[in-house]
Amino acid sequence: ETGVTQTPRHLVMGMTNKKSLKCEQHLGHNAMYWYKQSAKKPLELMFVYNFKEQTENNSVPSRFSPECPNSSHLFLHLHTLQPEDSALYLCASSHPRTGGSGSEAFFGQGTRLTVV
Amino acid sequence: GQQLNQSPQSMFIQEGEDVSMNCTSSSIFNTWLWYKQDPGEGPVLLIALYKAGELTSNGRLTAQFGITRKDSFLNISASIPSDVGIYFCAGQLEASGTYKYIFGTGTRLKVLA
Repeated sequence: ETGVTQTPRHLVMGMTNKKSLKCEQHLGHNAMYWYKQSAKKPLELMFVYNFKEQTENNSVPSRFSPECPNSSHLFLHLHTLQPEDSALYLCASSHPRTGGSGSEAFFGQGTRLTVV
Repeated sequence: GQQLNQSPQSMFIQEGEDVSMNCTSSSIFNTWLWYKQDPGEGPVLLIALYKAGELTSNGRLTAQFGITRKDSFLNISASIPSDVGIYFCAGQLEASGTYKYIFGTGTRLKVLA
């Protein structure tokens, strides 16, 4: 248990569906992230939120729409996805270390998404 | 985009053997992290390194932050079957107060009993 919870764990959706992934962290962190993990590829950073403000959008297609209503919750809204969007979507959170630089990111268990 | 070169990509070892893997980059990082990921799960943090030259252990695991700040290695001593999994390095960049993590391609470890 890392303190970062993702729901659902598995999701199958059609290309015309709209669905949302949810991430919740109980660690008091101020930064939250969405990563995409496809087979045989490194983890790809999608979005970064810092104190609820989006600070990074790594050229992600608009069919992925993030939302961060507060520092503890992060959503990824999905709309008209393609089969190649099937992947493990991972949420992470982090917080700067006290008195020093750097921080550690903690991951949720991921949502396995299949687009049919 | 930025990438970390992680090697080896995969390795089969006998139980009890030591394992070594490393990551290199053309970028300078202020933090190096090492994670292990089991099938169907998210990555779990193993070791965090914050200073160039730092050597840190966590049980049978030892990791070092390279002096140039562009590389790091992870050693696992006396491997056991439960060490099986994928190991990822991650380098952290800071820009305007936001922390961004770049991940290596992973090392898939298989331990033969």
